[in-house]
Amino acid sequence: EAGVTQSPTHLIKTRGQQVTLRCSPISGHTSVYWYQQALGLGLQFLLWYDEGEERNRGNFPPRFSGRQFPNYSSELNVNALELEDSALYLCASSFNGLSYEQYFGPGTRLTVT
Amino acid sequence: KNEVEQSPQNLTAQEGEFITINCSYSVGISALHWLQQHPGGGIVSLFMLSSGKKKHGRLIATINIQEKHSSLHITASHPRDSAVYICAVVPSGSRLTFGEGTQLTVNP
Repeated sequence: EAGVTQSPTHLIKTRGQQVTLRCSPISGHTSVYWYQQALGLGLQFLLWYDEGEERNRGNFPPRFSGRQFPNYSSELNVNALELEDSALYLCASSFNGLSYEQYFGPGTRLTVT
Repeated sequence: KNEVEQSPQNLTAQEGEFITINCSYSVGISALHWLQQHPGGGIVSLFMLSSGKKKHGRLIATINIQEKHSSLHITASHPRDSAVYICAVVPSGSRLTFGEGTQLTVNP
């Protein structure tokens, strides 16, 4: 069974640009979670999607947004990139909701210069 | 004060030693996760607990809901266990809230 996949693996962008990160969950999983891990910092919750709806959102500005598609894959969009957006962005999936174990993808490392 | 506190922050052990990492939390939760993050960044879910104790190979996780405390034990530690171990809780109806992580180094 394929695990959670993310693309791209690495990305370099310039301040002010926009970026889209992609995540494909494990087959059968309907929940997708996005997390940010800035260098030297802990994991921070970004977004939770389930059945195409945004269920919860972390303390991030509106320029962080996303969506979940009918096939349960998800995109994370970051507009007007700032230097502090440089981080590892991790996606995880689970069966519907927080009562189930989360399986993490390998992450996308974003560098903003 | 963070909702999730881990101790120790850093831990160095010799191969074969018994290791304990602790996690305390301050909110009511529906579940607690133990995660392992290797230097490349990949995260593996080790356990999800809502009560009692779980064992997988050399890893044991326990949780005491009343005391709001969980422990992760590694028996017969090995250098390949070197990683960051992260405790995360699910406050009821909410999202994962993470501890800062424990950096474990096991020397041969």
